[in-house]
Amino acid sequence: NAGVMQNPRHLVRRRGQEARLRCSPMKGHSHVYWYRQLPEEGLKFMVYLQKENIIDESGMPKERFSAEFPKEGPSILRIQQVVRGDSAAYFCASSPTLSTDTQYFGPGTRLTVL
Amino acid sequence: EDKVVQSPLSLVVHEGDTVTLNCSYEVTNFRSLLWYKQEKKAPTFLFMLTSSGIEKKSGRLSSILDKKELFSILNITATQTGDSAVYLCTIPQASGGTYKYIFGTGTRLKVLA
Repeated sequence: NAGVMQNPRHLVRRRGQEARLRCSPMKGHSHVYWYRQLPEEGLKFMVYLQKENIIDESGMPKERFSAEFPKEGPSILRIQQVVRGDSAAYFCASSPTLSTDTQYFGPGTRLTVL
Repeated sequence: EDKVVQSPLSLVVHEGDTVTLNCSYEVTNFRSLLWYKQEKKAPTFLFMLTSSGIEKKSGRLSSILDKKELFSILNITATQTGDSAVYLCTIPQASGGTYKYIFGTGTRLKVLA
């Protein structure tokens, strides 16, 4: 049973470009969470999605950031017109059911904005 | 506002030492507290604690929760260089029928040979 998969593992973008980060949850998991980890800081919740629905996006910046989890395919975190402050590690986690406390994390995507 | 505070922020020890990592919290509707270990990859699950005073143990690692004083500790005995990592404490916070994690900043542990 493969774990949570994220790609790319490393992504370099110039200011103003778009970044697309992908997350495939563990098999059988339909709940996906995105977290951001800035250098020397803890992980911060961004958004929680179920298939085709955004449930909680309270941690996601209102502009330039969007997330989706389509019926087929991975969850995508999209950052438009990236700025240097977007440089961070972005982690995806998944869980199998609504009420479980344990989330399983992917290896993260490290975004560097030049 | 719910928050999780970890201390110390960083720690350097020698192999064989015992370390204690602290996590204090302020949350409404406490449900559980989890510890994760983060090396240069995905945070990996260590423990989930729900009840006060019951120690969870896995090899050289153990953890306990105090719901009255609102903190948890993670102990590592006979440390090894492979224990070097960031240790994350997190509290699930109810959100849309499931739980999002509120994380502390982590404790960065470095174990020297």
